[in-house]
Amino acid sequence: DAGVIQSPRHEVTEMGQEVTLRCKPISGHNSLFWYRQTMMRGLELLIYFNNNVPIDDSGMPEDRFSAKMPNASFSTLKIQPSEPRDSAVYFCASSYGTGEYTDTQYFGPGTRLTVL
Amino acid sequence: TQLLEQSPQFLSIQEGENLTVYCNSSSVFSSLQWYRQEPGEGPVLLVTVVTGGEVKKLKRLTFQFGDARKDSSLHITAAQPGDTGLYLCAGAGFTGNQFYFGTGTSLTVIP
Repeated sequence: DAGVIQSPRHEVTEMGQEVTLRCKPISGHNSLFWYRQTMMRGLELLIYFNNNVPIDDSGMPEDRFSAKMPNASFSTLKIQPSEPRDSAVYFCASSYGTGEYTDTQYFGPGTRLTVL
Repeated sequence: TQLLEQSPQFLSIQEGENLTVYCNSSSVFSSLQWYRQEPGEGPVLLVTVVTGGEVKKLKRLTFQFGDARKDSSLHITAAQPGDTGLYLCAGAGFTGNQFYFGTGTSLTVIP
């Protein structure tokens, strides 16, 4: 298996532009997570989906952030409009969610976002 | 809100030394996981501990879950340069499928 695939790996944009990050989870996994990692705040959970349905989006910073999972093999995280404080590494992770709290999350390589 | 605090935040040691990293919380977790993250990559799971007081060993790494399931430690014996990385603990709640990550410990092992 190719693992979790994220694109792009690096994104540089200007303040006010729309940014779309993409994720393809591991085939067969039914839970998908979006995280943001910064030096100041560490690794923060933004939103997670189970069977393509958003379960908890309480970590989404504000209305500028939105996430979708139209099918089991694809998810997007969109920021519109982007701001310099959104600069971070964004990770997507997937797991085979049986409902047990011991599920293993597999992380993608991340997208490094820089907003100028 | 950071539910899990790790200490130390940064650690630089010589090859062959031993070290311990701590993960503490005021919350009780159903399980706790430890991850290692290398530069430019996502975190990779090392171990999951579930039972209070549980100890698991992975070669030179020893993981312990506190009796009250609020804290955990990671002990590395005879550290090697390949152990260099960011170590993250993550605690799971009792409902759902979420993990709350700790603040991280950045370890550098000098040859």
